[in-house]
Amino acid sequence: AQSVTQLGSHVSVSEGALVLLRCNYSSSVPPYLFWYVQYPNQGLQLLLKYTSAATLVKGINGFEAEFKKSETSFHLTKPSAHMSDAAEYFCAVSFTGGGNKLTFGTGTQLKVEL
Amino acid sequence: NAGVTQTPKFQVLKTGQSMTLQCAQDMNHNSMYWYRQDPGMGLRLIYYSASEGTTDKGEVPNGYNVSRLNKREFSLRLESAAPSQTSVYFCASSVRTGDSYEQYFGPGTRLTVT
Repeated sequence: AQSVTQLGSHVSVSEGALVLLRCNYSSSVPPYLFWYVQYPNQGLQLLLKYTSAATLVKGINGFEAEFKKSETSFHLTKPSAHMSDAAEYFCAVSFTGGGNKLTFGTGTQLKVEL
Repeated sequence: NAGVTQTPKFQVLKTGQSMTLQCAQDMNHNSMYWYRQDPGMGLRLIYYSASEGTTDKGEVPNGYNVSRLNKREFSLRLESAAPSQTSVYFCASSVRTGDSYEQYFGPGTRLTVT
């Protein structure tokens, strides 16, 4: 079955440290991949998306993600964490229709400490 | 441009009561969605509507009905609420950008069923 897995439901980093949030998918066809961010008591906001144009994708707020087909991964990174990055992050995948129907991972709560 | 709006923001129901969650978007998007978000489970698709006049079941449609009233509005109805339907409900709409879709989310409705 096609699915998406986020490793680590909670990640804690120090301010200024590297952020790495993991996402793996299983699919027999190339998927469309997305990262969304959810700040407390808000809806989800698109951070970035992969649609086969380039394997390294840059998004908003300094985040980027690299599509690695051999590892079936789409990990989210940011070189230097800021307190304002504290939020929940969701990886999502679409196997058909270019992202018109999404399957979400279970989310990773990012905590940024001083 | 309000984006995606949802009413109400909060609701408490007793088991067996019914209610309708309202969603509207002013971005002229064709597709609209209803998701529920539960701790540790990410977002799960309840129903979606690819265009005005069409609706399709998602991953967890049991206990819900939807109406795509027009291009702007997509409502979700709980006919007989159950405690298992306690959740945060998000409405979204999507637009095709390049070769993929991007979904825009409302702020959510927090529903408690006692």
